[in-house]
Amino acid sequence: GAVVSQHPSWVICKSGTSVKIECRSLDFQATTMFWYRQFPKQSLMLMATSNEGSKATYEQGVEKDKFLINHASLTLSTLTVTSAHPEDSSFYICSAREPTQETQYFGPGTRLLVL
Amino acid sequence: AQSVTQPDIHITVSEGASLELRCNYSYGATPYLFWYVQSPGQGLQLLLKYFSGDTLVQGIKGFEAEFKRSQSSFNLRKPSVHWSDAAEYFCAARMDSSYKLIFGSGTRLLVRP
Repeated sequence: GAVVSQHPSWVICKSGTSVKIECRSLDFQATTMFWYRQFPKQSLMLMATSNEGSKATYEQGVEKDKFLINHASLTLSTLTVTSAHPEDSSFYICSAREPTQETQYFGPGTRLLVL
Repeated sequence: AQSVTQPDIHITVSEGASLELRCNYSYGATPYLFWYVQSPGQGLQLLLKYFSGDTLVQGIKGFEAEFKRSQSSFNLRKPSVHWSDAAEYFCAARMDSSYKLIFGSGTRLLVRP
């Protein structure tokens, strides 16, 4: 149990385009999901907390207009990188809070390369 | 300030040898504590967690961790390492009601054949 999926697993896009990444909790309902960014050989950096039915809460320094988060259902949160640029290239990981276990379960990650 | 520290960036052990990965936290109370493992290019997999109760917790893949309040530590151990254990290990803590996790910087485990 407690499986989280992400789609796509990798994406290559041209500079200026927008990219949407989906995060799904497959076997539990998640009122809270999180989006992280990870640079090579570094730890995870929390970008935002996604709450079902309400606006996301962004961490300091994260551009909310650049990284749009939507949590429309209890099993799906999306991260849209708008007008992507090469510096947005990174590994993006989502997690979902399993409420009965008070534990975050992580997706497999999405590697984004912006050319 | 609330923080999680993993003092070892890299650790190399021989296959079959024992392993201990260190984790310390800075917080005024006992946080919820977690160990996750990440293989290259993958997401994070939960190894084990501690909320309260017995301070020695068992996890998956033969790992265990011991919470020591006096040392603000939550070290991960395994009695006999397998080559497949080579990965990045992250200690994390939840220190407030926001459900956010604070991560350590990670420890990369290399296993010698």
